[in-house]
Amino acid sequence: GDSVTQMEGPVTLSEEAFLTINCTYTATGYPSLFWYVQYPGEGLQLLLKATKADDKGSNKGFEATYRKETTSFHLEKGSVQVSDSAVYFCALYDYKLSFGAGTTVTVRA
Amino acid sequence: DGGITQSPKYLFRKEGQNVTLSCEQNLNHDAMYWYRQDPGQGLRLIYYSQIVNDFQKGDIAEGYSVSREKKESFPLTVTSAQKNPTAFYLCASSIGEGRVSTEAFFGQGTRLTVV
Repeated sequence: GDSVTQMEGPVTLSEEAFLTINCTYTATGYPSLFWYVQYPGEGLQLLLKATKADDKGSNKGFEATYRKETTSFHLEKGSVQVSDSAVYFCALYDYKLSFGAGTTVTVRA
Repeated sequence: DGGITQSPKYLFRKEGQNVTLSCEQNLNHDAMYWYRQDPGQGLRLIYYSQIVNDFQKGDIAEGYSVSREKKESFPLTVTSAQKNPTAFYLCASSIGEGRVSTEAFFGQGTRLTVV
């Protein structure tokens, strides 16, 4: 069945460092792909999405490109801030919405 | 305001009792989902429903049951057959059309503790 595998954490970075969280997926067709974020004490919210191959989703300085050839949707940010500390989830929609295990990111000042 | 509401926020039950978690949305979304969130295991799909009066098992449906009699409501019952029911439960809804979906909106969750 469909599944999402994302990089295990936790990840600890210094402010202004480069962040990459790897995400790969398995699906029979061409799903929609998402990154969700859960800030401390809050619910999940959409960070960005891509609905077809080669689409790039972007928001709040984060980017991810839908790579069909490598079945990947890696999340990147060039310069993280303390406020980016959160749990990040990669997700796939192919008639149902499936999530990866989540990656906890801590950014230190 | 449109949104998705879960109740209650905290729930305590004795072992062996069934308990029902409420999820209501006024977003006019067709698709609704129930997830279980455990530390280090992300969100695992319990059940989902694409339309009224229809639902499918997710990855960890054993010990759970749902109904979808109204578009707005998707209650989850945690039965006594669920071996480890203590967890954080999240409900979500989205517009789903085939393989394409808009974003999912999540409730604030219900933390169930079975003693």
